[in-house]
Amino acid sequence: GAGVSQTPSNKVTEKGKYVELRCDPISGHTALYWYRQSLGQGPEFLIYFQGTGAADDSGLPNDRFFAVRPEGSVSTLKIQRTERGDSAVYLCASSLEAGGSETQYFGPGTRLLVL
Amino acid sequence: AQSVTQLGSHVSVSEGALVLLRCNYSSSVPPYLFWYVQYPNQGLQLLLKYTSAATLVKGINGFEAEFKKSETSFHLTKPSAHMSDAAEYFCAVKNFGNEKLTFGTGTRLTIIP
Repeated sequence: GAGVSQTPSNKVTEKGKYVELRCDPISGHTALYWYRQSLGQGPEFLIYFQGTGAADDSGLPNDRFFAVRPEGSVSTLKIQRTERGDSAVYLCASSLEAGGSETQYFGPGTRLLVL
Repeated sequence: AQSVTQLGSHVSVSEGALVLLRCNYSSSVPPYLFWYVQYPNQGLQLLLKYTSAATLVKGINGFEAEFKKSETSFHLTKPSAHMSDAAEYFCAVKNFGNEKLTFGTGTRLTIIP
């Protein structure tokens, strides 16, 4: 079956602009996660959704970052007033359910470059 | 706070040789543990996970890992390396009641022909 998909695969923007990154989880998966991976680092947690609600947004670095999942499926990560330090690969993952040892399945990521 | 340490950011082994990638975690309670592999320009793929059912866990592509509570370790091994194993490998932990994965900094595995 189809895996997690993310669009766009690459995004180049200018400092100060607004960007939206989209994630389509595996069909039927109730939990959705966003991570950010900087060059040479492991992914870092940003936010987790259970259904439509953000159950844990403790990883969002500041109030310029916001994410939604209005219908409990597709999610959009929104970044306002982008800064050069926001350049990274943004990864989305989904799991059938939250909790325990449930496997998180990752998408290919969106590579964001802020000039 | 939970942390994961992967010793060796780069590991090189000859084709056919043993692969050993190290992972140590810090937690007073054994967490759930995962190994993911990342091929160039691809997403993370699960290799295997520890769920407390068995301390020796077998995964895909001939990889396995052993959970050792006394050493707080979850090292990844493969008896015989293939060229196709060249990739970046990440160890990750998840605590009970917490949904986020905490990743190590990764180990880049190079296979020498």
